[in-house]
Amino acid sequence: AQSVAQPEDQVNVAEGNPLTVKCTYSVSGNPYLFWYVQYPNRGLQFLLKYITGDNLVKGSYGFEAEFNKSQTSFHLKKPSALVSDSALYFCAVRDSGYALNFGKGTSLLVTP
Amino acid sequence: EADIYQTPRYLVIGTGKKITLECSQTMGHDKMYWYQQDPGMELHLIHYSYGVNSTEKGDLSSESTVSRIRTEHFPLTLESARPSHTSQYLCASSDPIPSHEQYFGPGTRLTVT
Repeated sequence: AQSVAQPEDQVNVAEGNPLTVKCTYSVSGNPYLFWYVQYPNRGLQFLLKYITGDNLVKGSYGFEAEFNKSQTSFHLKKPSALVSDSALYFCAVRDSGYALNFGKGTSLLVTP
Repeated sequence: EADIYQTPRYLVIGTGKKITLECSQTMGHDKMYWYQQDPGMELHLIHYSYGVNSTEKGDLSSESTVSRIRTEHFPLTLESARPSHTSQYLCASSDPIPSHEQYFGPGTRLTVT
């Protein structure tokens, strides 16, 4: 089964510092990997995806993610965090059909 | 913002009531999904549809049912609500291949008392 793991329940970072939210995956075959963000009382918003091609994927709001096949990781990064980046972040992998299997989520808190 | 809508946004209802959560999308997507989100944040697939008259159960067992009579509409029904159904329900639809991107509605937060 296709699955992802997010090892951190919460990540704290000071505004202006770089941030990383970790995700590792376990798949058979080529992975289709996604990052979504959820703000309070909202649905999930798409940030970026990796299907094929360059290992460094650029997405919305200045986020990027690096696909690392040898480490089976797909960490989300941003060079300079903003307070408004505080939210829940979900890593996901497409399953054998077309639905997504999500990680348990990581709460990001950016402090001023 | 994606063109996918859910109503109601919030619902508080008593045990034993029948409820229907509405989900509509205007993107013409064939594939639609229902996810249940635990209070502890994790999302689980409970139903999906690949087109009109197609519905399947997801990985998480659910007492809810769904229907897909029109492409744009994917309602979820609970015949007899129970406190264990208290959760957030998220509807999504996805682009055709090769995009795979899913678009989510704002969710319905259901509380069964």
